[in-house]
Amino acid sequence: QVQLVESGGGVVQPGRSLRLSCAASGFTFTLYGMHWVRQAPGRGLEWVAFIRDDGTYEYYADSVEGRFTISRDNSENTLYLQMNSLTTEDTAVYYCAKDSCSGGSCSHEFWGQGTLVTVSS
Amino acid sequence: QSVLTQPPSASGTPGQRVTISCSGSNSNIGSNTVNWYQHLPGAAPKLLIYSSNQRPSGVPDRFSGSKSGTSASLAISGLQSEDGTDYYCAAWDDSLSGWVFGGGTKLTVL
Repeated sequence: QVQLVESGGGVVQPGRSLRLSCAASGFTFTLYGMHWVRQAPGRGLEWVAFIRDDGTYEYYADSVEGRFTISRDNSENTLYLQMNSLTTEDTAVYYCAKDSCSGGSCSHEFWGQGTLVTVSS
Repeated sequence: QSVLTQPPSASGTPGQRVTISCSGSNSNIGSNTVNWYQHLPGAAPKLLIYSSNQRPSGVPDRFSGSKSGTSASLAISGLQSEDGTDYYCAAWDDSLSGWVFGGGTKLTVL
């Protein structure tokens, strides 16, 4: 069955960097795009970034453009999120999600359990 | 402020039918399909409805989705106590070139 396991969260000071990982299994990783979605405390879900199956194209939310970089290692079935210049506004649980498209419509088909990032001095 | 607008709360009694609305604009719901997610706090969000009205395998047919113009709805019939949690709508936004979510609706089963 599909499994997505995030790691790398923790407490980090404002202005510092952190890299999240998402280990994927149970499906052919190289065939699917992947997302990062986050949820700040007391708030709703916010899409962060997407990367195409072959890693050739990326999309970012305006709130993280220029600071975050999504990448993947298809030989290791792993998705990454490099987060730089972190602010307290980036405090959230970060989820990775498997993309799925059918008939031109796409969705976040499966999600991991998330990893908590806390930005605090 | 979320791009897609959902009521912050909804409620119903066991066995009842409830609907949750999701309002957007021409650049998102008006041009693309809508997905719905169920999220129990502390757990992985779960895809409930995709392509506006399709259910993934394993999702009970008590859950249904619809879309008209720039709005969408999630309906839950035969309400059960375990349905009491948070629900989110989402759609691709052509103007933002990104995914947008609603602010979420907390469903209470009375």
